[in-house]
Amino acid sequence: DAKTTQPNSMESNEEEPVHLPCNHSTISGTDYIHWYRQLPSQGPEYVIHGLTSNVNNRMASLAIAEDRKSSTLILHRATLRDAAVYYCILRLSANAGGTSYGKLTFGQGTILTVHP
Amino acid sequence: DAGITQSPRHKVTETGTPVTLRCHQTENHRYMYWYRQDPGHGLRLIHYSYGVKDTDKGEVSDGYSVSRSKTEDFLLTLESATSSQTSVYFCAISETSRAYEQYFGPGTRLTVT
Repeated sequence: DAKTTQPNSMESNEEEPVHLPCNHSTISGTDYIHWYRQLPSQGPEYVIHGLTSNVNNRMASLAIAEDRKSSTLILHRATLRDAAVYYCILRLSANAGGTSYGKLTFGQGTILTVHP
Repeated sequence: DAGITQSPRHKVTETGTPVTLRCHQTENHRYMYWYRQDPGHGLRLIHYSYGVKDTDKGEVSDGYSVSRSKTEDFLLTLESATSSQTSVYFCAISETSRAYEQYFGPGTRLTVT
């Protein structure tokens, strides 16, 4: 299975942009890139996902390298509430409704600290 | 927020005793998952279900069994708890068309003494 590599920790200041990197040099052409985050004392929550093109939603943006060997989660203006562990996950494409369609493998993630 | 509850939220039990954790959803989602989270290991999938009475093993299934007799309930059982099963257990759900977008419950902290 393809693996992801993330920095153990990063720091940011409030209201500044944050770029969280993820390397996945062994990604296959059918692997989707997902990001989840886990706030303190809570379960993880879905942030964003993509395959080849950059993606934006209300929470963040996902920039995917042209060769797909790396990606970056972008928080445009960090808030204190964004302090969390951020997980970059590869998901093998599968048919919707299939038995293993939703299986995700979480790594260690990046601990993001946001300073006031 | 997705309607997911876990019970109990905290439990202390002794080695060798059986333990059942319950995950209940009100979203009618097809997929349900049990994860455990330990320091240094992140979240690891124990078992998952892709429908009523349809379950499969995850990466750390030894020592655990699951059952799903109704769409809304997914039970995780430790037949004979061991200290290595001390952990925080999370349940998650997802719908068929977006199974990769999982919604997590609040977690159950289990301590086996």
